Amino acid sequence: DGGITQSPKYLFRKEGQNVTLSCEQNLNHDAMYWYRQDPGQGLRLIYYSQIVNDFQKGDIAEGYSVSREKKESFPLTVTSAQKNPTAFYLCASSIAKRPNQPQHFGDGTRLSIL
Amino acid sequence: GQQLNQSPQSMFIQEGEDVSMNCTSSSIFNTWLWYKQDPGEGPVLLIALYKAGELTSNGRLTAQFGITRKDSFLNISASIPSDVGIYFCAGSPDRGSTLGRLYFGRGTQLTVWP
Repeated sequence: DGGITQSPKYLFRKEGQNVTLSCEQNLNHDAMYWYRQDPGQGLRLIYYSQIVNDFQKGDIAEGYSVSREKKESFPLTVTSAQKNPTAFYLCASSIAKRPNQPQHFGDGTRLSIL
Repeated sequence: GQQLNQSPQSMFIQEGEDVSMNCTSSSIFNTWLWYKQDPGEGPVLLIALYKAGELTSNGRLTAQFGITRKDSFLNISASIPSDVGIYFCAGSPDRGSTLGRLYFGRGTQLTVWP
């Protein structure tokens, strides 16, 4: 079945440690996105990529990094510079060549600090 | 970034009642989307709207793209327990460098009492 797979479902990070969240899609979508969700905050955009080997900062990119080496994959690294990383992280994808197309989401990764 | 004001923040209703929620933006949008999120999962698209004045239904759900292009509404008729969840509005601005990017409201938490 086509879809977006995020892994792991739960992730724990020690202080000062970098962690990488995986996002893979087999929908043949060009665009991929990373959001952070905190209770009562809605979804805030971290990074997005419209095409392979290119990505743009969203509204809260500080302390995060991404790569887009393959169309299917858009991993997010939460660095030690992100001082408050505990949150629910959502990856999404859409057909970038048609503007304003709906984004489809994975089931998220919940990151917690040990 | 763009601000979307979604209201109400939460609703507690009896099974069988109708529900209304809305979303307003500070600028003109050319796309409005409504998503539902169940606990621990990613948002799922309910309805997409692309034209001012458009009224679209999906089962018991009906959404409208406001004439001013700065607002959208979602109605749920005859609510049932499985309607419980967080409902998000999302929109894309009409022009500018962020064309195609989605902005999300903070969500409406719906609770349905049997």
